[in-house]
Amino acid sequence: GIQVEQSPPDLILQEGANSTLRCNFSDSVNNLQWFHQNPWGQLINLFYIPSGTKQNGRLSATTVATERYSLLYISSSQTTDSGVYFCAVVPQGGSEKLVFGKGTKLTVNP
Amino acid sequence: DAMVIQNPRYQVTQFGKPVTLSCSQTLNHNVMYWYQQKSSQAPKLLFHYYDKDFNNEADTPDNFQSRRPNTSFCFLDIRSPGLGDAAMYLCATSRGAFYEQYFGPGTRLTVT
Repeated sequence: GIQVEQSPPDLILQEGANSTLRCNFSDSVNNLQWFHQNPWGQLINLFYIPSGTKQNGRLSATTVATERYSLLYISSSQTTDSGVYFCAVVPQGGSEKLVFGKGTKLTVNP
Repeated sequence: DAMVIQNPRYQVTQFGKPVTLSCSQTLNHNVMYWYQQKSSQAPKLLFHYYDKDFNNEADTPDNFQSRRPNTSFCFLDIRSPGLGDAAMYLCATSRGAFYEQYFGPGTRLTVT
């Protein structure tokens, strides 16, 4: 099945710093989503981005489907950005299920 | 606001005592999913409904069952919870397999 790899696994930042999270996937996809899991466990949708670039405030994402990767950019990080960021994909021609990466744990210190 | 609602947010049950978790949605989505998430792991799909069509994952234990009485509601039944079933249970919905999935806040299950 499709492999979804996220890097880095852990990231520690000072408030105000910028960061880039990466998601590599091993096959073509129909769907790619980025989620933020907050300390209470809720998965919050950040982007639905099977291809192209989107921006939402301090966050933006780019997916290059032909090269099988996606990037999540966080600018001017805040302590509330802390949590785990998951990338998840639905592979083409596959089981139509969302396949998650292992996540990047982000800690933003004041 | 349209949303995915899960009740209760925290559930404590005794070893072997049946427990039911509930999920409702106001998005009128066709597909509803149940995921199990253990500490420091990614969510793991247990099963999903496409309308009334039930789809079980091959590695979902028989101890886990689900019901979807109508479009809006879906239930997860754990017939005889073991200590290993303690986890966060997440419900999600989508318009279809290739559409965006929306997650509820989750139910954190403790088994004593």
